[in-house]
Amino acid sequence: GAGVSQTPSNKVTEKGKYVELRCDPISGHTALYWYRQSLGQGPEFLIYFQGTGAADDSGLPNDRFFAVRPEGSVSTLKIQRTERGDSAVYLCASSPKTGTPSYNEQFFGPGTRLTVL
Amino acid sequence: GQQVMQIPQYQHVQEGEDFTTYCNSSTTLSNIQWYKQRPGGHPVFLIQLVKSGEVKKQKRLTFQFGEAKKNSSLHITATQTTDVGTYFCARNQAGTALIFGKGTTLSVSS
Repeated sequence: GAGVSQTPSNKVTEKGKYVELRCDPISGHTALYWYRQSLGQGPEFLIYFQGTGAADDSGLPNDRFFAVRPEGSVSTLKIQRTERGDSAVYLCASSPKTGTPSYNEQFFGPGTRLTVL
Repeated sequence: GQQVMQIPQYQHVQEGEDFTTYCNSSTTLSNIQWYKQRPGGHPVFLIQLVKSGEVKKQKRLTFQFGEAKKNSSLHITATQTTDVGTYFCARNQAGTALIFGKGTTLSVSS
């Protein structure tokens, strides 16, 4: 079946602009995660959804970052007033509901490479 | 939360040589996961270890979880060029988000 998809694959924007990054998780996966990865680093946790609600947003760096998942499927990560330091690959992952096989395994999408000029 | 530390950061081997990467935590882990990220790719789940002293094998890969559940290792026997990539260990934070180490990047020359 289809894996996690993310759009766009690349996004170049100017400092101060607003961007939206989209994630389509694997069908039926209830948990959805956003991470960002800078060059030479491991993925850094941003936010976790269980269903429609943000169960843990402790990784969001500041209030310029916001994410939604209104229908419990697709999620959008929104970044306001982008800064050059926001440049990174933004990864989305999903996992099945608790109690199913592989529920702890996270399936990652290909990522969106964000470049802020 | 506490990060997991990985060593070495980089490792270059000749094809056919063995390779080991180590993951250490200052606190006891409920579980540890390993992921592989090919150059230009995204992390792909390899395995999860849960039990103290657990050893799991996947073909040429051997994963271990320490008795104290504070460290883990991944050993690759007779490396191949297809093993190239960055190997990350990650711990679960409150059973949900993953906290990744910085990874060990493996390069293999034939």
